Amino acid sequence: QSVLTQPPSASGTPGQRVTISCSGSSSNIGSNTVNWYQQLPGTAPKLLIYSNNQRPSGVPDRFSGSKSGTSASLAISGLQSEDEADYYCAAWDDSLNVVVFGGGTKLTVL
Amino acid sequence: EVQLVESGGGLVQPGRSLRLSCAASGFTFDDYAMHWVRQAPGKGLEWVSGISWNSGSIGYADSVKGRFTISRDNAKNSLYLQMNSLRAEDTALYYCAKDIKFGGTTWGAFDIWGQGTMVTVSS
Repeated sequence: QSVLTQPPSASGTPGQRVTISCSGSSSNIGSNTVNWYQQLPGTAPKLLIYSNNQRPSGVPDRFSGSKSGTSASLAISGLQSEDEADYYCAAWDDSLNVVVFGGGTKLTVL
Repeated sequence: EVQLVESGGGLVQPGRSLRLSCAASGFTFDDYAMHWVRQAPGKGLEWVSGISWNSGSIGYADSVKGRFTISRDNAKNSLYLQMNSLRAEDTALYYCAKDIKFGGTTWGAFDIWGQGTMVTVSS
């Protein structure tokens, strides 16, 4: 059972906009910034969003992040087949004193 | 090219020890905190440990506290993870990851990852 809760799966068709949620608590998302990772099959994770809504250099602006209270969301617009991957949220937890990850969401492009 | 290369994984019996290494190149290693993140086969990501640029701040997941020790050698651009009293549940792909923040630690935003080294704990 992960400290951050994500839906196990999500799907969309090419060109669509999809969102993936990440729910936490006051000790993690509520008081710290959220980061999002994309993991393509058989590869290492890649940082997509940091500090709630910042994109590292090279990440397309189709990817965006937001946070409200103890929840966060990752939005992917103009969905492409190469976006099919696992997505994870992560944040520091002040009570546990660890980095916590969500359980991951498997995105399928139909 | 910015790169992290892990080594030291393998098959080990329960209760034994293993030391992982991570060689960094392409960036100023001693300007950044570093972390270990693991992924059990078919499972999600789990943060294992992190260390600040000067080793002044170190953190561990509860699941490894007291058994694993993180360290770094800035002169050698290297990160290490000493794993003692290994258990079957430590079986995973271990990634070395660089913190995104220059001169500090975000404790959660890792912008460079290695390809991982597999640790299998089994008799």
